[in-house]
Order: sequence, then C-alpha cells, then structure tokens
Amino acid sequence: KQEVTQIPAALSVPEGENLVLNCSFTDSAIYNLQWFRQDPGKGLTSLLLIQSSQREQTSGRLNASLDKSSGRSTLYIAASQPGDSATYLCAVSILTGGGNKLTFGTGTQLKVEL
Amino acid sequence: DGGITQSPKYLFRKEGQNVTLSCEQNLNHDAMYWYRQDPGQGLRLIYYSQIVNDFQKGDIAEGYSVSREKKESFPLTVTSAQKNPTAFYLCASSRGLSNEQFFGPGTRLTVL
Repeated sequence: KQEVTQIPAALSVPEGENLVLNCSFTDSAIYNLQWFRQDPGKGLTSLLLIQSSQREQTSGRLNASLDKSSGRSTLYIAASQPGDSATYLCAVSILTGGGNKLTFGTGTQLKVEL
Repeated sequence: DGGITQSPKYLFRKEGQNVTLSCEQNLNHDAMYWYRQDPGQGLRLIYYSQIVNDFQKGDIAEGYSVSREKKESFPLTVTSAQKNPTAFYLCASSRGLSNEQFFGPGTRLTVL
C-alpha cells in the first residue's frame, strides 16, 4: 500500500527566505506526482505536476523535483512571501486495474512572517 | 470562467438523514472524484468516475453513494449508514484518469 509522508508538518520562516518542503513515498512505481496548495477552509489549488519520466518542473518561484528511485520529491519556494502561507500537499498517482488513484500526504503547514 | 463548483459550502445534517452534495464542472473533463478530508489526515478517495454512467469505489466508499448521469455532474450522497460523516468533502475532475486533477472549493458537512 502506497504511503506518502511530508516533513516537516509545520514550518515558520521569515519573509524572503528560500525553503524546501519534502515528500516521500513508499512505492516507486508511480505514474506522476502533484503538488497542491490549500488555504484554510478552501479547496486545493494545483501547483505543479511531474510525470514519472521527468526530473523537475518549474512555475515562477516554485520548483519541484522528483527522484522516483529513492521515493522522494521536494518543493522549493524561492524568496518566500506572506502570501505563500498555506498548507502544501503532495500526492502520488499509481495506475491500477481500476484506474489512476491519488494518494495524499498529510501536508506541510507553512507560515511566512513579515 | 471554467471551473468546478460545489454546493452548499456548509451543510448540517441530523443523525439518520441522507444528504446530497453537489459537484458541477464546466471543464469538459471526463473523470471526476470525491475525497474526504479530516484534520491531521490526508485526503481519502471515496468514489471516482471515468465516464458518464460509470463509477468505481475508492478507499472509503462505505456509507456513500454517487451517480454520473451527466458529464458535468457527480453528486455524492452521504447516507445514514456512514458512521462518522462530519468532514470536509472535496470534488475534483481531470481530463482523463492519468491527468492533473483540479479541485472545487469544498463542502463542510457537520452532523448535529
């Protein structure tokens, strides 16, 4: 059974700092990995999708890497801003006989302080 | 604007009642999903549908039912058989099962 772990569970940093969020998964036979952002009481916003054949994806100040063989992904946020404060979730997908299923981590709660 | 809508935003239910949560998308996506989110836990898949008139159970389907009569709509019914229904429910859709998933704003269900 696929398990996804995110460390740390919570993180507080001063504005302007570069930071890394970690995601690990137990089954390396994934189809893709997706990073999401969730604001309190809201739905999920997709940030980046990395296919299993890719090593990284970039969008603005965000960069996500994937090392499938070691079961790890990192989300790098450059020059953090207070508006980046949210919970960040990673999810991995595997193809099964019943289709593609996402397994989520429990998230990293980020607070960027002025 | 294209997107996914869920209604209502907040829902209160008495024990023993069935309630239906609405999910509509205008993204022309084939696949739709229902997840449940509880504090301190990751999202868990309840049901998903690859195409109209077809759906499969996820990891925690007991006490829930769905229908997919139209491509745009995937309503979720929380039945009285669901022992602990209080949670945040999220609907998502994707172009195909292997594609990026996009989420709605969620419905918070509270059992009184």
